[in-house]
Amino acid sequence: GENVEQHPSTLSVQEGDSAVIKCTYSDSASNYFPWYKQELGKRPQLIIDIRSNVGEKKDQRIAVTLNKTAKHFSLHITETQPEDSAVYFCAASIEAAGNKLTFGGGTRVLVKP
Amino acid sequence: TAGITQAPTSQILAAGRSMTLRCTQDMRHNAMYWYRQDLGLGLRLIHYSNTAGTTGKGEVPDGYSVSRANTDDFPLTLASAVPSQTSVYFCASSVTHYTDTQYFGPGTRLTVL
Repeated sequence: GENVEQHPSTLSVQEGDSAVIKCTYSDSASNYFPWYKQELGKRPQLIIDIRSNVGEKKDQRIAVTLNKTAKHFSLHITETQPEDSAVYFCAASIEAAGNKLTFGGGTRVLVKP
Repeated sequence: TAGITQAPTSQILAAGRSMTLRCTQDMRHNAMYWYRQDLGLGLRLIHYSNTAGTTGKGEVPDGYSVSRANTDDFPLTLASAVPSQTSVYFCASSVTHYTDTQYFGPGTRLTVL
């Protein structure tokens, strides 16, 4: 089955700097890649997603890039703010197989003021 | 609307006892999911249901069972709990079983002693 690796496991950045989280996946058939943010003690919430027919997607300070050849995708957060502190999870799924997400292990991001 | 709710919020359970975790959504979503979240392992899919009346096994189904008698409810049952089932359990739903956004419930923290 699919395997998703996520790095780094923890990331500390200064407020205003950029943060980058990288994920690799094993199944070349995967074609949907969402990112979830989970604040301490809260539920995961979708922040952005990308499908395999595009290489990059942006939403304000958040962007995701996808390299299908290399089977990796990344989350970029620019101009980080203290409220960006959370655990971020990448995930992958195969649309034809249903919405069964395989998650990475998570990255704990700490934005220092 | 309440969205997606779970009960109980937390539970301590003796090993060998049975337990049903409840999940209800009022969004008329067709697909529902159960995940467990363990530190460092992200979220792992236990069971899913693409539509009322159907269920399927996820990545870690052993020791768990589900039913989907109607659109709104998706209970998860542990027939004979073991300490390795200590975890935070999240229910989620999506409009369809294709690559739609999954909306998560608030979670149930289960401790098996």
